[in-house]
Amino acid sequence: GQQLNQSPQSMFIQEGEDVSMNCTSSSIFNTWLWYKQDPGEGPVLLIALYKAGELTSNGRLTAQFGITRKDSFLNISASIPSDVGIYFCAGVNFNKFYFGSGTKLNVKP
Amino acid sequence: KAGVTQTPRYLIKTRGQQVTLSCSPISGHRSVSWYQQTPGQGLQFLFEYFSETQRNKGNFPGRFSGRQFSNSRSEMNVSTLELGDSALYLCASSLLGGTHDTGELFFGEGSRLTVL
Repeated sequence: GQQLNQSPQSMFIQEGEDVSMNCTSSSIFNTWLWYKQDPGEGPVLLIALYKAGELTSNGRLTAQFGITRKDSFLNISASIPSDVGIYFCAGVNFNKFYFGSGTKLNVKP
Repeated sequence: KAGVTQTPRYLIKTRGQQVTLSCSPISGHRSVSWYQQTPGQGLQFLFEYFSETQRNKGNFPGRFSGRQFSNSRSEMNVSTLELGDSALYLCASSLLGGTHDTGELFFGEGSRLTVL
């Protein structure tokens, strides 16, 4: 099946630092999605990417759709305590969504 | 525009019982998916319904079932509950496969099931 490898698994950073996480796959995807999940809540869609090479920003968040269509990364600049949570990537192909295992972000004030 | 709504938010059951969870998708979304999330296991795909038909299915035993109604609302049922079924069950809706498919999936807040 199509699997996504998301890294790192967890991160501990200081407030104000920049953060980078990525997802890779051996399969090509038509769409990449990035989600954030707070404890006890459902994942919330942060950014959607539709074209290879596309770079999209949402406030302090920037995500890119890899040129090979097999990877994507998410950057968070100048992290703040409310960035704490689990970030998931998802690749979309043929009416199916494939999720990474998540990156748990911890931000120290 | 209302988001994906799941009920109940929390419930406690005992082993052997059965449970039904409900999901109302975003208006206009005909695709509804269900996921199980346990600590350390990420998001495990259960099944997806589109226009009242199960279109995709994950690797879960037959105790897990679902259905979708003509108004796109969906329910999932778990029979003969086991301790390992304790999890957050997430419903998500999308336009996937429809005329205006944007490829985006929107989640509800989840139903937290505890099996004692």
